[in-house]
Amino acid sequence: QSVLTQPPSASGTPGQRVTISCSGSSSNIGSNYVYWYQKLPGTAPKLLIARNNQRPSGVPDRFSASKSGTSASLAISGLRSEDEADYYCAAWDDSLTGLYVFGTGTKVTVL
Amino acid sequence: QVQVVQSGAEVKKPGASVKVSCKASGFTFTDYYMHWVRQAPGQGLEWMGWINLNSGGTRYEPRFQGRVTMSRDTSISTSYMELTSLRSDDTAVYYCAREALSGWAGMDVWGQGTTVTVSS
Repeated sequence: QSVLTQPPSASGTPGQRVTISCSGSSSNIGSNYVYWYQKLPGTAPKLLIARNNQRPSGVPDRFSASKSGTSASLAISGLRSEDEADYYCAAWDDSLTGLYVFGTGTKVTVL
Repeated sequence: QVQVVQSGAEVKKPGASVKVSCKASGFTFTDYYMHWVRQAPGQGLEWMGWINLNSGGTRYEPRFQGRVTMSRDTSISTSYMELTSLRSDDTAVYYCAREALSGWAGMDVWGQGTTVTVSS
């Protein structure tokens, strides 16, 4: 059972901006970095955002993220058809030392 | 190039065990954790645990404690995940993914996934 809650779905038309939320607690998002992963069907997850808001090399700057308190969000601007995927937030959790948790996942649909 | 390559698909009967391997290349093996993550059909990503590839220390998600063992062989840069007492709900794609021991860089290199099917 995930302790990071995301909306099950989000959608937008090409070119629009879509935002996905991720709600946690003081033991995970509130005290640790947040990560975002993109999961396309049939492929391995891909790291989109590390350390709350840092894009690894090769990730387009259309993807941005922020964190405030025990919540975080991912924004996709200039939405493109290839952005249609599942997106997961994640964080280390201090409630039991050394644990890691994924969010429930959000399916982004490009209309 | 930097990559991790997993072993092939497995079909197991309930109650059996499975051992999935993850061979690393192109980077210093002992500078990383290896996480194991699975995705059951139609479900989200589920973290199973990590192994410190330098020390061999492990940390497992409590719901897998007692059934999962993660290990590594530094001589061949390979990490392993063994899951015992398999049930039908263990049917999933299992992934390994590296994360640097320092720097909080996230899981930046993933294996291609190993499909494990548990069926009688």
